[in-house]
Amino acid sequence: EAQVTQNPRYLITVTGKKLTVTCSQNMNHEYMSWYRQDPGLGLRQIYYSMNVEVTDKGDVPEGYKVSRKEKRNFPLILESPSPNQTSLYFCASSFGVPNYGYTFGSGTRLTVV
Amino acid sequence: TQLLEQSPQFLSIQEGENLTVYCNSSSVFSSLQWYRQEPGEGPVLLVTVVTGGEVKKLKRLTFQFGDARKDSSLHITAAQPGDTGLYLCAGAAGTASKLTFGTGTRLQVTL
Repeated sequence: EAQVTQNPRYLITVTGKKLTVTCSQNMNHEYMSWYRQDPGLGLRQIYYSMNVEVTDKGDVPEGYKVSRKEKRNFPLILESPSPNQTSLYFCASSFGVPNYGYTFGSGTRLTVV
Repeated sequence: TQLLEQSPQFLSIQEGENLTVYCNSSSVFSSLQWYRQEPGEGPVLLVTVVTGGEVKKLKRLTFQFGDARKDSSLHITAAQPGDTGLYLCAGAAGTASKLTFGTGTRLQVTL
């Protein structure tokens, strides 16, 4: 089944403790992206990658890092999480630039206390 | 920054009613997508429209892209409880490598 898999689905952590949210897709998509979704603010792009070793900032990149060492994986790294990073995170992928639509993962609900 | 405004923000209707959701912008988009998101899940792509004036139908859902490619609408005929969810529009400008998402319309369909 074609899908984007994120792990974990739920995570509660403490301020400052480094964490990684994994994202993997099995569709050989070139383009991958991370979004956060907050009430009243909608989906905002954090980082995106157009191919292996090619990444760029989205609209809200502060406090996040990404890497794209393999085509299928695009982990999101929070080096020192803070409470304002409490949010619902989505990974998404598309074959090329997302003009024709994304496939989204099921989301990771992160709480930073 | 391109903005996409959706209206209404919330809509609660009874089964069998018709409804229309709007997605408006002052910017021109090369394509516009509609997604539906259910609680606890990621958005799922419903349709992509690319040509000004284009109309696409997906069962009881009708999507239209404005002639000037700045706006779009989603019309649902005879809504069912299974249509309940958050409807999101998203626009792509030119060959831009990112989408701009609207803030969504939350639809509840009751029996």
